[in-house]
Amino acid sequence: ETGVTQSPTHLIKTRGQQVTLRCSSQSGHNTVSWYQQALGQGPQFIFQYYREEENGRGNFPPRFSGLQFPNYSSELNVNALELDDSALYLCASSPGVGQPQHFGDGTRLSIL
Amino acid sequence: ELKVEQNPLFLSMQEGKNYTIYCNYSTTSDRLYWYRQDPGKSLESLFVLLSNGAVKQEGRLMASLDTKARLSTLHITAAVHDLSATYFCAVDSGFNKFYFGSGTKLNVKP
Repeated sequence: ETGVTQSPTHLIKTRGQQVTLRCSSQSGHNTVSWYQQALGQGPQFIFQYYREEENGRGNFPPRFSGLQFPNYSSELNVNALELDDSALYLCASSPGVGQPQHFGDGTRLSIL
Repeated sequence: ELKVEQNPLFLSMQEGKNYTIYCNYSTTSDRLYWYRQDPGKSLESLFVLLSNGAVKQEGRLMASLDTKARLSTLHITAAVHDLSATYFCAVDSGFNKFYFGSGTKLNVKP
C-alpha cells in the first residue's frame, strides 16, 4: 500500500511570502493532521481535517490554513511567512480513531 | 492545552545497560503512542497504548501506560547501538489530535 507522501521535500522562501505544502494520505485514511517540528523539538499540532472539514486546531495563528480534498489529499498554506516558520512540516494520516498516525517524510521549510 | 513532558531529554548509555524514559501528561487520556525518529527522518510508530495498564513489548523495548498517574514509560533492556534515535511520546487529546513531548535523544555507546 502507498504510504503518506509529501511535496516538496525542501523549500526556501523569504519573509512575507506565501507557501503551499501538499500531502497525499495513505490509501483508506480519511483523517489528516499537520504538524510543525522546529529543530530539536517535538512536533506541534497545527490542525486536523476529517472528510474535508477542519476538525480541531492547535495554537497557530489564522495565517496557517488548510484544505482537504475529496480524495483525502491535503494542503497546508502559510501566509506572511516569518523567520520562526522555519521548520519541518509533517503530515500524518490515520484510518480511524485510536489508530496510530502514519507520518510522511515531511517538508523542510527554510525562511530567509 | 494538553502538556506532555518527557524525561530525560538526553540519555547516553552503554550497550547492554537498561534504562527507562518517562512521559507525563496533564489531562485525562487513555491513548498514548510512542514514536522513534532517526536524524533527518520522519516518525516511525513503535507502540499504541489504548487502556490503563496496557503493556506492549517489541524486542528490547517495552512500553506501559498508567492512565490514573498520567504516566507512560518506555523501558530499554540491554541497549544496543541500533537503538540510538530520538523517542517521542504522543498523547491523543481526542479524535486523533496528538500532543507530543519534546523527545528523548538516546545515544547508545558501543
